[in-house]
Amino acid sequence: RKEVEQDPGPFNVPEGATVAFNCTYSNSASQSFFWYRQDCRKEPKLLMSVYSSGNEDGRFTAQLNRASQYISLLIRDSKLSDSATYLCVVNDGQGAQKLVFGQGTRLTINP
Amino acid sequence: NAGVTQTPKFQVLKTGQSMTLQCAQDMNHEYMSWYRQDPGMGLRLIHYSVGAGITDQGEVPNGYNVSRSTTEDFPLRLLSAAPSQTSVYFCASSYGAGLDSPLHFGNGTRLTVT
Repeated sequence: RKEVEQDPGPFNVPEGATVAFNCTYSNSASQSFFWYRQDCRKEPKLLMSVYSSGNEDGRFTAQLNRASQYISLLIRDSKLSDSATYLCVVNDGQGAQKLVFGQGTRLTINP
Repeated sequence: NAGVTQTPKFQVLKTGQSMTLQCAQDMNHEYMSWYRQDPGMGLRLIHYSVGAGITDQGEVPNGYNVSRSTTEDFPLRLLSAAPSQTSVYFCASSYGAGLDSPLHFGNGTRLTVT
């Protein structure tokens, strides 16, 4: 079983739609959770950290469920510019910043 | 503000050749790391460093060496290139560990080994 699993997609949704991604992780000792965004042939960039109580940043909402070991990302009112690959990232629980990346979910927003 | 700078952007090597991928950051970050990204595999950690003089292995360290003589620089050495090392390599740095210390990535190096 992979440490971090994501549905690779691709997800194709119309502009203005709401889309949700889930990600599961296997290490119950993991303490830090992130969503990164990666545009085609570019480096990953932080979208948002995921806090235990859940957090929101504009149209983006992230949730953490420790009991079931998954995190989610919700994008509301999607824009064309949201087209990218979304990477679920989890630390390995050993203290240092050893992050484990999911393979990414590819999202395309259609006009 | 340069952030994380990687060189070169592209490189073609022949099997058996060696080379060094350079990485420098100007944010005074203690933590630096190298990842490789292959299709369908996500990013995989090669080596990382939590400070000058300290390095450790990640998930896929074989065939690569690193050193951290200064806070700013973290070069990655390919000892004897193999076609399996064809990949996109990303260097990253962060202030520390935890939710408030996200990784900052360089632009990447696209390496092809023939």
